[in-house]
Amino acid sequence: GAVVSQHPSRVICKSGTSVKIECRSLDFQATTMFWYRQFPKQSLMLMATSNEGSKATYEQGVEKDKFLINHASLTLSTLTVTSAHPEDSSFYICSARRREDYSYNEQFFGPGTRLTVL
Amino acid sequence: KNEVEQSPQNLTAQEGEFITINCSYSVGISALHWLQQHPGGGIVSLFMLSSGKKKHGRLIATINIQEKHSSLHITASHPRDSAVYICAVRRRYSGGGADGLTFGKGTHLIIQP
Repeated sequence: GAVVSQHPSRVICKSGTSVKIECRSLDFQATTMFWYRQFPKQSLMLMATSNEGSKATYEQGVEKDKFLINHASLTLSTLTVTSAHPEDSSFYICSARRREDYSYNEQFFGPGTRLTVL
Repeated sequence: KNEVEQSPQNLTAQEGEFITINCSYSVGISALHWLQQHPGGGIVSLFMLSSGKKKHGRLIATINIQEKHSSLHITASHPRDSAVYICAVRRRYSGGGADGLTFGKGTHLIIQP
């Protein structure tokens, strides 16, 4: 149990286009999902926290108008990279916390999406 | 200085060796995670600790809250243990309402046959 999927696993796009990444909890309800970014040879960095039915909370330095997050249901959060540029090329990973684990903070990670912007 | 520091950054060992990876942190935390990341990038959660010690198979994780230090041990290491091991903490008090994790840079472990 507690499986998180991401789609797509890899995406290559042209500069200026928008890319949507989906994060789904397959066998549990996730009230909270987290979006992380990992540049080569660097540690993961939290981008934003997404709570179902409310606006995402962004970390300092993350542009909310560029990285649009929607958490419309208890099993799906989406991250849209708008007007992507080569510097947005990175590995994007989501994680989800089960509805019943709110105070426990167990997080289940997706397999990640590798974005390359040409 | 990073809030979460891991050592060593890189570790190569022979199959069967006892492996120790260390993590020190400088903030108050409510939980510490050990994660495993394979070359494809996918992350598996190994442990979540708030005190004491946990064991799962050949893996053991310990934490000393007073010293702000945690260790991950691998007994009877095997080539399939080769991966990046990441320490991450959940701060006790998070700003802005966000309560995601803060990560160390990871330890690249290679176990040679």
